[in-house]
Amino acid sequence: AQTVTQSQPEMSVQEAETVTLSCTYDTSENNYYLFWYKQPPSRQMILVIRQEAYKQQNATENRFSVNFQKAAKSFSLKISDSQLGDTAMYFCAFASNTGKLIFGQGTTLQVKP
Amino acid sequence: GAGVSQSPSNKVTEKGKDVELRCDPISGHTALYWYRQSLGQGLEFLIYFQGNSAPDKSGLPSDRFSAERTGGSVSTLTIQRTQQEDSAVYLCASSLAFAETQYFGPGTRLLVL
Repeated sequence: AQTVTQSQPEMSVQEAETVTLSCTYDTSENNYYLFWYKQPPSRQMILVIRQEAYKQQNATENRFSVNFQKAAKSFSLKISDSQLGDTAMYFCAFASNTGKLIFGQGTTLQVKP
Repeated sequence: GAGVSQSPSNKVTEKGKDVELRCDPISGHTALYWYRQSLGQGLEFLIYFQGNSAPDKSGLPSDRFSAERTGGSVSTLTIQRTQQEDSAVYLCASSLAFAETQYFGPGTRLLVL
């Protein structure tokens, strides 16, 4: 069975600084997808970034980038130039060809002014 | 265009009553997923639909839970004889096709007294 682990329950960062959220996963499959979702207090889950396992190049979306280490089964999220609006809970998620998402426990990120 | 919508936003019910939760996916999305988010269990998969059929019901916690989807669009999650442990946020997501990126609705917060 696949599992996703986020070992940092809470993190904080000063506005404009950079922060990295960690995620590891376990799977025996070769083809899969990894995601980071953001959930602000409004409860709406918002897609931050997506990575296909077959792609060696790390995905980037503006201030958000990932460090995907397939052999190590690691998928960390780097947020550059942190903004107050980045304050939220962040979930790492795994999807195989079954489609359903398996989520980590989440990391609460607080951006301080 | 319009995102995934869910209704009601909040639901308070008494133990033993039945409840229905509704999800309207993004137009044209063929896959639809239900997840549950609770303090004790985190985010867990319940069921997914491809069109009107549900190939994977493995996440439904008991036979009190059922779901249907009609016309390849709207889905209803029904919980019969609700229990206090059913209290959670129920999230719906849709994707353009099976195993594509999922987009989430705002969720329904269910409180069973």
